[in-house]
Amino acid sequence: SQTIHQWPATLVQPVGSPLSLECTVEGTSNPNLYWYRQAAGRGLQLLFYSVGIGQISSEVPQNLSASRPQDRQFILSSKKLLLSDSGFYLCAWSVRAQGGHEQFFGPGTRLTVL
Amino acid sequence: AQSVAQPEDQVKVAEGNPLTVKCTYSVSGNPYLFWYVQYPNRGLQFLLKYITGDNLVKGSYGFEAEFNKSQTSFHLKKPSALVSDSALYFCAVRASWGWGQGGKLIFGQGTELSVKP
Repeated sequence: SQTIHQWPATLVQPVGSPLSLECTVEGTSNPNLYWYRQAAGRGLQLLFYSVGIGQISSEVPQNLSASRPQDRQFILSSKKLLLSDSGFYLCAWSVRAQGGHEQFFGPGTRLTVL
Repeated sequence: AQSVAQPEDQVKVAEGNPLTVKCTYSVSGNPYLFWYVQYPNRGLQFLLKYITGDNLVKGSYGFEAEFNKSQTSFHLKKPSALVSDSALYFCAVRASWGWGQGGKLIFGQGTELSVKP
């Protein structure tokens, strides 16, 4: 069966510090991968998606970047965090399959920037 | 453009009563529709989907949803609510041709369901 991991689970960082969040998927190959941010416990904002190694599409211009160094690894980074980067970060995966293309989400990382 | 609307920020029902969480969508072409549930400080859990076929779709935890093409709606329903159903619910859509755009889903803003004993 497929599983998705995110770490760390929680993170408190000072303004101006760097960021690296990691997401890995097990049990599938060549997935599409996604990074979302959820602010104030409500709406999801798609930040980046990737359809393959080294292929990153950015949805919203901002202080963040993403990389996909391996097929099942997706990393979210920042060189200098802003207060507005605080939120709940979710990674998700999907595969193109007969019958549907739902996304499956990881447990999330709660980021607080002080 | 694709869009999803969840017109109610909050839905309150008594335990044992039926519940409905509303969702309407706009997409060019045939829609793929999804419902997710989120418990506090957790990731989203997939509940059910409509791709094609029967308009009534059954999913996890006794939930079902009805696809109505003429009303462009995909309301989530459950015949008898449980206190443990209290959570945040998201509707999502993408066009059937959307895999070429990375399979992106468009999410609604979420509806908070509160089930009281």
